[in-house]
Amino acid sequence: GIQVEQSPPDLILQEGANSTLRCNFSDSVNNLQWFHQNPWGQLINLFYIPSGTKQNGRLSATTVATERYSLLYISSSQTTDSGVYFCAVVSTSYGKLTFGQGTILTVHP
Amino acid sequence: GAVVSQHPSWVICKSGTSVKIECRSLDFQATTMFWYRQFPKQSLMLMATSNEGSKATYEQGVEKDKFLINHASLTLSTLTVTSAHPEDSSFYICSATLRAGYGYTFGSGTRLTVV
Repeated sequence: GIQVEQSPPDLILQEGANSTLRCNFSDSVNNLQWFHQNPWGQLINLFYIPSGTKQNGRLSATTVATERYSLLYISSSQTTDSGVYFCAVVSTSYGKLTFGQGTILTVHP
Repeated sequence: GAVVSQHPSWVICKSGTSVKIECRSLDFQATTMFWYRQFPKQSLMLMATSNEGSKATYEQGVEKDKFLINHASLTLSTLTVTSAHPEDSSFYICSATLRAGYGYTFGSGTRLTVV
């Protein structure tokens, strides 16, 4: 099946800092999503972004499908941004959503 | 649109008993729903694909007799953990998509503790 690798595995920031999370995948995809999992386990969809660039407030994401990677940018981080960020993809050959291992983000005040 | 509701949010059961978890699509019809399991500090792993009106398809290594899935309507899928044991304690979460080319929406998850 498709391999989804996220980096870094852990990230610690001071409030106000910017960060970039990366997601590499091993096959062509027709669906890529970024999720934030809050402390209660709820998965919040941040972006549906199989290609191109999107922005939503302090968050933005870019997927370069031809080079098989996606980036999630968090600007002016806040303590409420803490949690686990997952990248998940649906490959063209395996039509089910597959998750990366996640990036654990901790933002200190 | 594309809201998925999951109940219960948490459940504690005794070893050997069965537990049923419900997943509903509230504002759309879902011919296919997906069940994931997440152990502490790990990622989400797909357990099975629930197909309305037909048998579920299970991922390799998932015991179909332990994890019974029923998708009797276009808005409801249920996961029953039969004869639960402490090693079945985990976070179970369902998802569905409105249509092809649309993202996946997840329920709020169910934290199962077997004592």
